[in-house]
Order: sequence, then structure tokens, then C-alpha cells
Amino acid sequence: DTAVSQTPKYLVTQMGNDKSIKCEQNLGHDTMYWYKQDSKKFLKIMFSYNNKELIINETVPNRFSPKSPDKAHLNLHINSLELGDSAVYFCASSPPVGVSGANVLTFGAGSRLTVL
Amino acid sequence: GIQVEQSPPDLILQEGANSTLRCNFSDSVNNLQWFHQNPWGQLINLFYIPSGTKQNGRLSATTVATERYSLLYISSSQTTDSGVYFCAVSGAGSYQLTFGKGTKLSVIP
Repeated sequence: DTAVSQTPKYLVTQMGNDKSIKCEQNLGHDTMYWYKQDSKKFLKIMFSYNNKELIINETVPNRFSPKSPDKAHLNLHINSLELGDSAVYFCASSPPVGVSGANVLTFGAGSRLTVL
Repeated sequence: GIQVEQSPPDLILQEGANSTLRCNFSDSVNNLQWFHQNPWGQLINLFYIPSGTKQNGRLSATTVATERYSLLYISSSQTTDSGVYFCAVSGAGSYQLTFGKGTKLSVIP
């Protein structure tokens, strides 16, 4: 069973479209994250949710909106896609604070978004 | 925010060789992790090591928190070790992991 699963794995779309990437974890973790990896492989955090509450919101255009319906899911919706949004988006999760291995990240396989 | 520098940026090894990757950070940390991103893009956590030394098979890591660096040792390298190795840290009171730019390792037969 995949611990952190993202869908879709690949997404090719036109500028101006709206798209979503879904993430689910079956590890029982409380905290989930979205990271963006650019073409130079640089990884940067975008958002973090702890038990459905937003705890990190980096300087990301407000065209990006995360949604966490429950602590096992964190979806990323992107409006009005731009060429610069092309990247690989990684979802990750980590155990609750105080639990052994807290803040140790488990990553999904990534979703490669290409905006034409 | 905290700065993370990794060296070298690129490394080419013959299979069987040993290597040391370095991660320097600019402030005290409460969380330091090493990750391997394989050529297919999958990110795997190797070590959670804010201080001390850990070993896992041919890999080991040491963090000297007082001197603000961590080292990842790879012994008897194999072609499957190829990929990018990332160091990521967070400071006191922060959930946010800051990643270094990575070391790209290529192991050739």
C-alpha cells in the first residue's frame, strides 16, 4: 500500500486553466505539506496543515489554494495557471509532535505539472 | 531564515568508491534530515539526525550541531546510489524544513 499517494502523476494543461492535485496519506500522520520542486531541483515548502489547520503558508500566489477535508487528505488547487507554475509538486506527511519520528517527512511520488 | 549549503554540487564516483557529502547550516537546528531523490524523482528519507551519528547499511551520517554541519558518508558506492542528496533543516520553534540545493551523485560502473 502506498503511504503517501498523489494524483495525477502527470498533468499537461494550457495557460489560464484551473487544475487540482490530490494527496492522501494512510500513515495516520497529523501534518501534511506541499512542496514545489523547480527545474533546478530546488525544493521549497508551499503549505503545511496540522490536523486540517493551516500552519505554514509561504509566499505563494493566492492562485494556489490548499484544502484539507480531513487529516488524511491535502489537496492543491491552482487557478489561472501560468507558465512559471510548471514544476513537480510533492505532497508529504509527518507524525504528530511528541511521537517518535515527529517531523520526519514521508514524500509522495510527485506530480509533474506542465503548463503550455 | 536559516541558510543551508551543500557541497559538492556534483560528484562522479566509480562503483565501489567511498564519498562524503557535506551540509552546512547558518543557525542552530532542532531538525535535520537527509533525503535521496532517485533518478525517477522519488524522495526517500535516509536519516533524521539533528545531532550525533547514525548508520544504516553502507550509509552513515554525523551531525555536529555546535559547529553547524552534517556529513553523509556513502561507502562502497553502487549505481543505485545515483541521484540527488538533499539536506533539510529547521530551527527552534519552526515546523518549516529548509532544503539545501542538493548534491548530484553519479556512480558509474
